[in-house]
Amino acid sequence: AQSVTQLDSQVPVFEEAPVELRCNYSSSVSVYLFWYVQYPNQGLQLLLKYLSGSTLVKGINGFEAEFNKSQTSFHLRKPSVHISDTAEYFCAVSEQGAQKLVFGQGTRLTINP
Amino acid sequence: GAVVSQHPSRVICKSGTSVKIECRSLDFQATTMFWYRQFPKQSLMLMATSNEGSKATYEQGVEKDKFLINHASLTLSTLTVTSAHPEDSSFYICSARDHGTLKGYGYTFGSGTRLTVV
Repeated sequence: AQSVTQLDSQVPVFEEAPVELRCNYSSSVSVYLFWYVQYPNQGLQLLLKYLSGSTLVKGINGFEAEFNKSQTSFHLRKPSVHISDTAEYFCAVSEQGAQKLVFGQGTRLTINP
Repeated sequence: GAVVSQHPSRVICKSGTSVKIECRSLDFQATTMFWYRQFPKQSLMLMATSNEGSKATYEQGVEKDKFLINHASLTLSTLTVTSAHPEDSSFYICSARDHGTLKGYGYTFGSGTRLTVV
């Protein structure tokens, strides 16, 4: 069965600084990978997803992620963060051919002025 | 893009009563829907997977008689929390997949329902 590990539960950064949120997954088969953002008391919004093809995926709000099969990672990056990026970020994996989407523990990104 | 509507957004009920939460796919047909539960400051835990016209598949540890799931049409799934107790208070989120591959839509989430049992 697939699993996802987000290595940092909290990441504080200063406004306009770069940020990387780490995600590693485990699966015995090929996977699809996702990053979602959740604002307080709201559902999840898709930032980006990797299905196939180019390993560098660009998403909304200036975020991007790189799929690294050898390291089983899918880290999320943004070159310059804004106060409005303060939220909870979830990495998720779905095995190809399966229905379920499994989530990591989440990373709380806090942007300080 | 794909939109999933979830209602109500907040509900407060008395202990022992039942609460129904609706999840609708507005612009696509969702043969598969998922129900998640999220405790404060924690991740989403999958409760069950429902396929249109068949019984839901519950995750280990989820009481199927307590959390009744119905997926009677391609655009509507409901979660009923029966005989609710304070420990059932949580944030419930639904998600839907379209009929085809992950291309295009993927998984779309509702805005969640905050259930408080008093």
